[in-house]
Amino acid sequence: GAVVSQHPSWVICKSGTSVKIECRSLDFQATTMFWYRQFPKQSLMLMATSNEGSKATYEQGVEKDKFLINHASLTLSTLTVTSAHPEDSSFYICSAYRGLAGFGTGELFFGEGSRLTVL
Amino acid sequence: GQQLNQSPQSMFIQEGEDVSMNCTSSSIFNTWLWYKQDPGEGPVLLIALYKAGELTSNGRLTAQFGTTRKDSFLNISASIPSDVGIYFCAGQLAIKAAGNKLTFGGGTRVLVKP
Repeated sequence: GAVVSQHPSWVICKSGTSVKIECRSLDFQATTMFWYRQFPKQSLMLMATSNEGSKATYEQGVEKDKFLINHASLTLSTLTVTSAHPEDSSFYICSAYRGLAGFGTGELFFGEGSRLTVL
Repeated sequence: GQQLNQSPQSMFIQEGEDVSMNCTSSSIFNTWLWYKQDPGEGPVLLIALYKAGELTSNGRLTAQFGTTRKDSFLNISASIPSDVGIYFCAGQLAIKAAGNKLTFGGGTRVLVKP
């Protein structure tokens, strides 16, 4: 399978600071990347769709000014949690989409996840 | 948003047993994907299905894309301790408005019988 690398794997920060998480597709170009948030014992919750060269599309209820997404190249997307607070503590996972021939067919490969703890 | 109904939510396995889980939806999907997630890690793709009726194997794993395109199942044969984890199904809707987004099931937590 394809490789998606996410960094850092964990981060602890003070309340009010900003944290940047990087997501890289190492062996394929991804025009679309996705950012998810996962709470303990729950499924993945889609936060936003990151499209290379254009603005991210945020899911309902996700604050775009709080979670800044940048997809500057076909292999890199970043998520910045601005002015982080304890309630932002969570497991954040990125994924990169590799489309195949035909509409609606493709595979999604996930990064290792980043655990954010805000003190 | 759109949800897939995945069942069971959790199950206990004994080494050597076969395990089965499934996902159903009211919508038609073009693609079904099955993932496994270990604690503290991102999900890992196990099997991808692209055609109604398709039956695909990956080692001890077998998954099928339902003929109605609204369901899929995953079987694990002769389970071993490392099969413990959370399994997620995911589907890609057959409508262009959905883009490349995937819809995820709630997960099936596979645990070892005490």
